[in-house]
Amino acid sequence: AQSVSQHNHHVILSEAASLELGCNYSYGGTVNLFWYVQYPGQHLQLLLKYFSGDPLVKGIKGFEAEFIKSKFSFNLRKPSVQWSDTAEYFCAVNGGGSYIPTFGRGTSLIVHP
Amino acid sequence: KAGVTQTPRYLIKTRGQQVTLSCSPISGHRSVSWYQQTPGQGLQFLFEYFSETQRNKGNFPGRFSGRQFSNSRSEMNVSTLELGDSALYLCASSSGLAGGGYNEQFFGPGTRLTVL
Repeated sequence: AQSVSQHNHHVILSEAASLELGCNYSYGGTVNLFWYVQYPGQHLQLLLKYFSGDPLVKGIKGFEAEFIKSKFSFNLRKPSVQWSDTAEYFCAVNGGGSYIPTFGRGTSLIVHP
Repeated sequence: KAGVTQTPRYLIKTRGQQVTLSCSPISGHRSVSWYQQTPGQGLQFLFEYFSETQRNKGNFPGRFSGRQFSNSRSEMNVSTLELGDSALYLCASSSGLAGGGYNEQFFGPGTRLTVL
């Protein structure tokens, strides 16, 4: 069975700081990788996705993620966070012919103005 | 295009009762998945319905059940509620088309269930 680990459960940053959220998964085959974001009081929405091609993926709002196959990782980055990035971030993976993504437990990001 | 809608948005029940939650997917989407979201466990997959058939199932007890109607709307039922069932229940819809293993899921706002 697939599993997804998000190492940082809570992250607190000041505006303009750089962000990197870790995500590792256990499945060894071909995978599709996702980062979702849940802003306070809002729906969970897709931030970015990877399923083939360039391992550096750019998403909305200046976020990017890098797929490193040898490390089974898909870390999320942003060079300079804003107060409006305060949210919960979920990494998700599906593979092995499964349509259903397995989600990590989430990372709560708080950005102080 | 209207998004995924869930009703009701909030529910308060007592132990032992049962509850039914409803989800209307995006028009044209045939797959509906249900997730339980709690602070300690994150999002845990309950089940997925596609064209009125349960296609995938997570590791939840039989007290959790669901169904899908011909218009793709889905309901989830939890019987004999326990305190630990308090959670945000999310519904997600996708096209559910076969092949590639990739289906972007669009999430609803969730139903917040509190069991007292």
